[in-house]
Amino acid sequence: GNSVTQMEGPVTLSEEAFLTINCTYTATGYPSLFWYVQYPGEGLQLLLKATKADDKGSNKGFEATYRKETTSFHLEKGSVQVSDSAVYFCALITGSARQLTFGSGTQLTVLP
Amino acid sequence: KAGVTQTPRYLIKTRGQQVTLSCSPISGHRSVSWYQQTPGQGLQFLFEYFSETQRNKGNFPGRFSGRQFSNSRSEMNVSTLELGDSALYLCASSFGEKNEKLFFGSGTQLSVL
Repeated sequence: GNSVTQMEGPVTLSEEAFLTINCTYTATGYPSLFWYVQYPGEGLQLLLKATKADDKGSNKGFEATYRKETTSFHLEKGSVQVSDSAVYFCALITGSARQLTFGSGTQLTVLP
Repeated sequence: KAGVTQTPRYLIKTRGQQVTLSCSPISGHRSVSWYQQTPGQGLQFLFEYFSETQRNKGNFPGRFSGRQFSNSRSEMNVSTLELGDSALYLCASSFGEKNEKLFFGSGTQLSVL
């Protein structure tokens, strides 16, 4: 079956620090990979995605590269802001399943 | 364009009762998925509907059921509520069949006392 393993949180950073949240996966077939973000009291929002090996997804300064050889999709941002404080979820979907498999989520807190 | 709307936002029930949650997808979206979010289990897939047909179901007991109407609106029902059913229930919609870009609602927070 499919599974996503995500870096344990919580993560606390100072503003303008570099962010990495690790994500590795196990999947049958060739998955599409996603990062979703959840702000307090809200649902999930798609942050970025990559659909094939070596693709780089990017949005709002966040980036992640689909690494098939290491089955990873690590999230990075060069300079975090207080407004980036949220829970981040790594997820995948395969063509046969048509359902998202999520990681456990990583709580990020950015301090001014 | 309105987003995914879930009602009610909060719900308090007691054990043994049943509950119905509602989801209105983004206009034009034909696929609706439901997820349960708890601190202990994280996000777990419940079921997915496309054009009124359930295409996929997660590993939940038969007390959890759902349906989709011709206008793509969806409801999920939980019967004989248990304390462990307390969770945030999230609905997501997508335009096509592949579900590669899901739009989530804000969820219904269900508390079972």
